[in-house]
Amino acid sequence: DAGVIQSPRHEVTEMGQEVTLRCKPISGHDYLFWYRQTMMRGLELLIYFNNNVPIDDSGMPEDRFSAKMPNASFSTLKIQPSEPRDSAVYFCASSLSGRARYEQFFGPGTRLTVL
Amino acid sequence: QQQVKQSPQSLIVQKGGISIINCAYENTAFDYFPWYQQFPGKGPALLIAIRPDVSEKKEGRFTISFNKSAKQFSLHIMDSQPGDSATYFCAAGMGGTSYGKLTFGQGTILTVHP
Repeated sequence: DAGVIQSPRHEVTEMGQEVTLRCKPISGHDYLFWYRQTMMRGLELLIYFNNNVPIDDSGMPEDRFSAKMPNASFSTLKIQPSEPRDSAVYFCASSLSGRARYEQFFGPGTRLTVL
Repeated sequence: QQQVKQSPQSLIVQKGGISIINCAYENTAFDYFPWYQQFPGKGPALLIAIRPDVSEKKEGRFTISFNKSAKQFSLHIMDSQPGDSATYFCAAGMGGTSYGKLTFGQGTILTVHP
């Protein structure tokens, strides 16, 4: 298995531009999580899905952030418009349900820089 | 009540020494306590985990100690090696409306000197 796949790995953009991050979870996993990691705030959960349905989006910082999961093998996190304070590493993770639900498999992350 | 507090923020240990990282929580509904390890440029990966019905779990050089009454748990790395240098996160999970969700500590940067 290829693991969780994220693209792009690095993104540099200018303030005000739209940014779309992509994630392909591990096949068969029914939970998908989006995290943001910064030195100041650590690892923050933004939103998570179960069977493609958003369960908890309380971590989404503001309306500029949105996430979708149109099918079991693809999810996007969009920031529009982007701001310098959005600069961070964004991780996607997936897991199975049941007793294995707390073993989350993380992707390599997308390093976002907003100038 | 959802927070997991982790200490220290950073830790420097000599090769062969013992590394100890501590975490504390408030919410007694947490029922699963994993530790994740993250190397630079990589995503976190599950290292070891424990449920509150046991007080200790050991896997190789890594041991979790769990104190339910104190609401604390810790990671011990015996015979620490330079290859253990990484960031370590404790976490806690619960069922109910938060089924599948993990709350992470702030992380500890471990450096093991040769």
